[in-house]
Amino acid sequence: GDSVTQMEGPVTLSEEAFLTINCTYTATGYPSLFWYVQYPGEGLQLLLKATKADDKGSNKGFEATYRKETTSFHLEKGSVQVSDSAVYFCALIKNQAGTALIFGKGTTLSVSS
Amino acid sequence: NAGVMQNPRHLVRRRGQEARLRCSPMKGHSHVYWYRQLPEEGLKFMVYLQKENIIDESGMPKERFSAEFPKEGPSILRIQQVVRGDSAAYFCASSPRAGEISGNTIYFGEGSWLTVV
Repeated sequence: GDSVTQMEGPVTLSEEAFLTINCTYTATGYPSLFWYVQYPGEGLQLLLKATKADDKGSNKGFEATYRKETTSFHLEKGSVQVSDSAVYFCALIKNQAGTALIFGKGTTLSVSS
Repeated sequence: NAGVMQNPRHLVRRRGQEARLRCSPMKGHSHVYWYRQLPEEGLKFMVYLQKENIIDESGMPKERFSAEFPKEGPSILRIQQVVRGDSAAYFCASSPRAGEISGNTIYFGEGSWLTVV
């Protein structure tokens, strides 16, 4: 079945370091891809998305490119801040009726000053 | 995630009791999704409902769990005879129509944290 695989965490970085969180997917057809962020004690917020191959989603300094050839959607940020500490979820949805988001297990990011 | 209201935010139940979690979707949304987040794990899809219909319940445990989304009122996720393993965060999301392919219009609530003691 369809699935999303993320790199294991936790990821621990110093402020201003470069961030990469790997995400690969398995799905038939052409899904849309997403990154969600969950801050401690809160729900999920959409961070960015891409709906077709080679699309780049970006928001708040984060970006991810939909790579169909490698079935990947890696999240990157050039300079992380302490406030970026959160759990990041990669997700996909199939572009057909009656489907729901499928999430990866999440990657915890901890940024220290 | 503004607009999807879940309650209670925190619920404590003893083993064997029933837990009821409520979700009021955003105004105008007729599709509701429930997800469970177990400690140290990601979100697992449980059930997808449209008003008065269950569209996909492939992620629901076969026993003790049920969900409904009546014509009037919130969606309810019901867990009977709770066990410690049911302790988790339960998230509800809503969207305005079927086959939603844009993440912008799938909104999540802030979750209900169930603790079974």
